Amino acid sequence: GQQVMQIPQYQHVQEGEDFTTYCNSSTTLSNIQWYKQRPGGHPVFLIQLVKSGEVKKQKRLTFQFGEAKKNSSLHITATQTTDVGTYFCAGRVGNQGGKLIFGQGTELSVKP
Amino acid sequence: EAGVAQSPRYKIIEKRQSVAFWCNPISGHATLYWYQQILGQGPKLLIQFQNNGVVDDSQLPKDRFSAERLKGVDSTLKIQPAKLEDSAVYLCASSLDRTQLGNEQFFGPGTRLTVL
Repeated sequence: GQQVMQIPQYQHVQEGEDFTTYCNSSTTLSNIQWYKQRPGGHPVFLIQLVKSGEVKKQKRLTFQFGEAKKNSSLHITATQTTDVGTYFCAGRVGNQGGKLIFGQGTELSVKP
Repeated sequence: EAGVAQSPRYKIIEKRQSVAFWCNPISGHATLYWYQQILGQGPKLLIQFQNNGVVDDSQLPKDRFSAERLKGVDSTLKIQPAKLEDSAVYLCASSLDRTQLGNEQFFGPGTRLTVL
């Protein structure tokens, strides 16, 4: 079946270090969304990427969508303790109304 | 603007018992989703409604799970009978309209179910 794989599963960094999580799909995606889930919380939408090769930035966060629309990445520059949480990519297959398939998530911990 | 409401927040039951979860989406959101999130995993879609119609229920274990959204607003998800492997957080989410390209999902706080 359709799968969205995400690596790494865990990442421990010192505050100020950079962080990257990668997402790969077995099939071409129509778009991809990223969510953040704080410990004990619920997923919160961060961004959506639609176009092949698209790059979007939100302050210290940079999101990329691969040329083949099968992979994506989230890079955080100079992590802060407020970045702690689990980051999920969610790929949409098929048309705009297709369901989202979530990756397993990358849990980020930041040591002050 | 009020967010997605869910109740109860926590539920502990014994296996073979029944349980029901309730969700009230953001006002005006046509699309409602129920997800199952097992500890350490990403949310898995159980069922998706567009207004009061089912769009996708391919991953819903229909022998024990059922869901309805009769008036196209709030929704209930039922498990009958529950199994140990149903222990998870059940998340409800809503979006404005599944056909819109910029279609972010707003999640509720979830119901944490423990099956003993």
